[in-house]
Amino acid sequence: DSGVTQTPKHLITATGQRVTLRCSPRSGDLSVYWYQQSLDQGLQFLIHYYNGEERAKGNILERFSAQQFPDLHSELNLSSLELGDSALYFCASSVVVKGHSGGYTFGSGTRLTVV
Amino acid sequence: AQKVTQAQTEISVVEKEDVTLDCVYETRDTTYYLFWYKQPPSGELVFLIRRNSFDEQNEISGRYSWNFQKSTSSFNFTITASQVVDSAVYFCALSEPFSGTYKYIFGTGTRLKVLA
Repeated sequence: DSGVTQTPKHLITATGQRVTLRCSPRSGDLSVYWYQQSLDQGLQFLIHYYNGEERAKGNILERFSAQQFPDLHSELNLSSLELGDSALYFCASSVVVKGHSGGYTFGSGTRLTVV
Repeated sequence: AQKVTQAQTEISVVEKEDVTLDCVYETRDTTYYLFWYKQPPSGELVFLIRRNSFDEQNEISGRYSWNFQKSTSSFNFTITASQVVDSAVYFCALSEPFSGTYKYIFGTGTRLKVLA
């Protein structure tokens, strides 16, 4: 167990629907990163939150949004789902000490299948 | 621009062979971090190593070793005496600190198949 919890592990939904993926970071980590792993795009950075604030955005579609709550858990919302959104979505948390990244701890991922 | 290239898409070896996975990166920054992750068939991403740009020491951890060469912008990973359990996809990643964020740029991964 990495300490980063992602739920659900698997999700199957229909095109046009909306889903919410949840991530609880490791205790003490203030940063949450979201990544998408798809067959054609590989592992891509989506968004970074630090202590409730958005810090950086990557190739995240406008149909996707995220937030980090006061208890530091984060949710990734995917709406108007398309077949191409089928992917493995990873959350990672990290701690930054004196400006240096200690590296991420990844969750086990949520596998989203859009049918 | 930041980029990570893992030119080897798939490698097959027989158990007990040594294998090297290549990683070449591009960056304009002098401060950056390099990582290797393992993704077994179960799908999770397992951290293997982190190296910062100021530390060019090679590292050995059991059967694993890493060769970091800034002169060639490479961070190669060698598995000695491979085992079937090493079968996985291996990702190299680059991270540069920018405005308080440390997003990763991943390579496309190398699928390693170790045959018994």
